[in-house]
Amino acid sequence: DAKTTQPNSMESNEEEPVHLPCNHSTISGTDYIHWYRQLPSQGPEYVIHGLTSNVNNRMASLAIAEDRKSSTLILHRATLRDAAVYYCILRQYYGQNFVFGPGTRLSVLP
Amino acid sequence: NAGVTQTPKFQVLKTGQSMTLQCAQDMNHEYMSWYRQDPGMGLRLIHYSVGAGITDQGEVPNGYNVSRSTTEDFPLRLLSAAPSQTSVYFCASSYYEGTTEAFFGQGTRLTVV
Repeated sequence: DAKTTQPNSMESNEEEPVHLPCNHSTISGTDYIHWYRQLPSQGPEYVIHGLTSNVNNRMASLAIAEDRKSSTLILHRATLRDAAVYYCILRQYYGQNFVFGPGTRLSVLP
Repeated sequence: NAGVTQTPKFQVLKTGQSMTLQCAQDMNHEYMSWYRQDPGMGLRLIHYSVGAGITDQGEVPNGYNVSRSTTEDFPLRLLSAAPSQTSVYFCASSYYEGTTEAFFGQGTRLTVV
């Protein structure tokens, strides 16, 4: 399984944008980049995923480097409810398990 | 649409007891999996299934059994509970392709004393 590297923790002020980085230098051409987050005492929830092009949804944006060796999850306006552990995961087109690293713990300051 | 339902939410077992954690999904997903999460850690894969009748081991399978007789259900059995199995257990389901998102249950918090 290709691995990802994320900072252990980050802080943000409420209502400011947050950029969460992820390095995946060994990514293969068939790996999709997934982001999940885990709120306290809850199961992980899907945030966004992409292959090559930048992606936007109602929760966040995903910016993927041209060489695909890194990506950035962008929360446009952080709220207190966005405080969570964010996981960057690679998953191949067909099957393969979600392999969770330690993720980035995001703290949002009021 | 209930998504992924796990039962029970909490359980206390004595060492040596056996029990089954239930997981059900109503999205017709082929892929289901079980993870455990220890305090302050990420999720580790226990067992997974790519369809009814097909299961395989993940990273930490020892002490656990699974079966997949239907698409909807994927129970996890603890054969003889040990304190080292104290953890929070999450079940997940998705379509097989990596292009789709996975859905996770709310977890079962298990304490073995």
